[in-house]
Amino acid sequence: NAGVTQTPKFRILKIGQSMTLQCTQDMNHNYMYWYRQDPGMGLKLIYYSVGAGITDKGEVPNGYNVSRSTTEDFPLRLELAAPSQTSVYFCATNSGSGGDTQYFGPGTRLTVL
Amino acid sequence: DQQVKQNSPSLSVQEGRISILNCDYTNSMFDYFLWYKKYPAEGPTFLISISSIKDKNEDGRFTVFLNKSAKHLSLHIVPSQPGDSAVYFCAAYKGTYKYIFGTGTRLKVLA
Repeated sequence: NAGVTQTPKFRILKIGQSMTLQCTQDMNHNYMYWYRQDPGMGLKLIYYSVGAGITDKGEVPNGYNVSRSTTEDFPLRLELAAPSQTSVYFCATNSGSGGDTQYFGPGTRLTVL
Repeated sequence: DQQVKQNSPSLSVQEGRISILNCDYTNSMFDYFLWYKKYPAEGPTFLISISSIKDKNEDGRFTVFLNKSAKHLSLHIVPSQPGDSAVYFCAAYKGTYKYIFGTGTRLKVLA
């Protein structure tokens, strides 16, 4: 039972390149989230999903896209990477019960040069 | 608009003493508050939570206190151990599937 896995762990992109950050959970949770954490800041919600086929924007969605075709996977797509997207990205999941704890992946550290 | 604030970016405490981490919020409609602990190069892990209808929740060495009139919560760690050295985030939930996180407090427990 791996919980929440994220790949890759690290990535360096050039400005304008695109990439997909992968997130997979084996907890059979309906709710999945993508956050970014900038230095000295809290976690900012990018996108979230309440179930397969359903996604919605969080606080900072610009420059990102998501899809949720299965319960297990919730990939985050960066289409035209910009230096402002240099951050650590965390995927999280929870069962959806009110106030239920979120389980986080180990993170992806992305640098855009 | 920072709805959840952790005004102390860092805290140092001697091993065996009490650590008190503070968090303030602005929205009285939050339903739950949670504390997460984060080690370097890892994702946050859940520590303890409290419902807005309670004023205290305890789990071993960890106790969370909620003061609704002051819109303030605190996490007490007693006794503090070197392994508690980490960044602690408070988070608030208000029934819209979204969690709002504070900026974190780095705790250092000195041996």
